[in-house]
Amino acid sequence: DSGVTQTPKHLITATGQRVTLRCSPRSGDLSVYWYQQSLDQGLQFLIQYYNGEERAKGNILERFSAQQFPDLHSELNLSSLELGDSALYFCASSLVASGQETQYFGPGTRLLVL
Amino acid sequence: ILNVEQSPQSLHVQEGDSTNFTCSFPSSNFYALHWYRWETAKSPEALFVMTLNGDEKKKGRISATLNTKEGYSYLYIKGSQPEDSATYLCAFRNAGNMLTFGGGTRLMVKP
Repeated sequence: DSGVTQTPKHLITATGQRVTLRCSPRSGDLSVYWYQQSLDQGLQFLIQYYNGEERAKGNILERFSAQQFPDLHSELNLSSLELGDSALYFCASSLVASGQETQYFGPGTRLLVL
Repeated sequence: ILNVEQSPQSLHVQEGDSTNFTCSFPSSNFYALHWYRWETAKSPEALFVMTLNGDEKKKGRISATLNTKEGYSYLYIKGSQPEDSATYLCAFRNAGNMLTFGGGTRLMVKP
C-alpha cells in the first residue's frame, strides 16, 4: 500500500457525460501527478500539481481539467467523454516537485465509457 | 514528442538467470530518469530515480546504471526469481518538467 488513495475504483458511464476522479496523496506529500493508461498506448503523463498550483502539463486534452485543493487532495475532471477515454487513470504523489524525487502511485480508477 | 524506447519489449528467462534491459532517451535536456516495476493488476512501484551521469543504484538483486551523454540506462536483475515477473518501465524527465514513459519491458521468469 503506497498511501495514495483514489476513488472510485471503477466507473462506467456513457459518451458525452462528465466524471470526476479523486486522489488523496500520501500524508505529507505536496505534489500530485495524473496519468492515463489506455489499451493502445503506454502510460501517459497528464498533469502535475504542487501545493495547489499547476506545475507541469503533459498530454492532457482540453476536455480534461484538474485541480489541487488546499487540503492537497486532487480531482481530475473529464468531460464530453468519448469511447477512447476508456482507460486506467493513475494518481501519484511525491514530497516535493523537483522531478528527482520518488513518486508513489495510487491503485488507479478504471473508467469505461460506453 | 520525446522518444523514450525500451528494449526488449518482452523477455522470458529461467529462474536463476541474470538479465538486463535497456532504456534509451534523448541525451539533451536531461533532468532525471525513473525506473518503475509494474506487476499485473497493481500500480507502478518506484525502483530508482537516477540523476547524474555514471550513477549506479542497487536494490537487492536489481541494479541500474545511467549514461546521460549517450542517452541510455540499463536495468540488471541478478538471479531472476518468479516474483520478479513484471513490466519494468523507465520514465525520462527533461528540464522542462515533461515526463515521458517508455513502452516497458515485460519480464517473465519461469520456475
